[in-house]
Amino acid sequence: AQSVTQPDARVTVSEGASLQLRCKYSYSATPYLFWYVQYPRQGLQLLLKYYSGDPVVQGVNGFEAEFSKSNSSFHLRKASVHWSDSAVYFCAVRMPNYNVLYFGSGTKLTVEP
Amino acid sequence: NAGVIQTPRHKVTGKGQEATLWCEPISGHSAVFWYRQTIVQGLEFLTYFRNQAPIDDSGMPKERFSAQMPNQSHSTLKIQSTQPQDSAVYLCASSSPGFTEVFFGKGTRLTVV
Repeated sequence: AQSVTQPDARVTVSEGASLQLRCKYSYSATPYLFWYVQYPRQGLQLLLKYYSGDPVVQGVNGFEAEFSKSNSSFHLRKASVHWSDSAVYFCAVRMPNYNVLYFGSGTKLTVEP
Repeated sequence: NAGVIQTPRHKVTGKGQEATLWCEPISGHSAVFWYRQTIVQGLEFLTYFRNQAPIDDSGMPKERFSAQMPNQSHSTLKIQSTQPQDSAVYLCASSSPGFTEVFFGKGTRLTVV
């Protein structure tokens, strides 16, 4: 079955520490890949996207993600987190020939002082 | 650019009543998407319009739910005979013709009591 999996429902890190949020997909073809962030009582905001090319893509606010075809993964990273990064992060996919985004279950990130 | 506007932000309905949720996409965007967000199910795709035409409603419950896009400036999601399990945050999103980015509204929190 086609799916997007975020194995970690909750992640807690200390401010200033590095971060990795995991995302794996299972699709018959390589989809387009996205990371979104949702702050409390807000809609989703795009952090970054990958269509093709360089497997490491840069996003807003110091986030980056690395695509791995061999691992069917698209993990999100940040070198040094800030308390304001506390939010829920969603990995999403869409197929190149279709326009609907499908989301993982989300990872709630808490940054402790 | 006010972004995708959803009204109301909060709605409380009694069991069995009808609820209508409104979405105003970003001007010039040709695609509108509806999603439902719950703790248990996460972000579920409901339906998608392009140039006001319904393209995919595969995520819509077969009964009681309907969506329309009567003109390019708004879409509605209607739930008849609301049930407690319909309680959720309903998110609307829009995208430009190139589908390079999908922008989300802040959502309508529906509570059925």
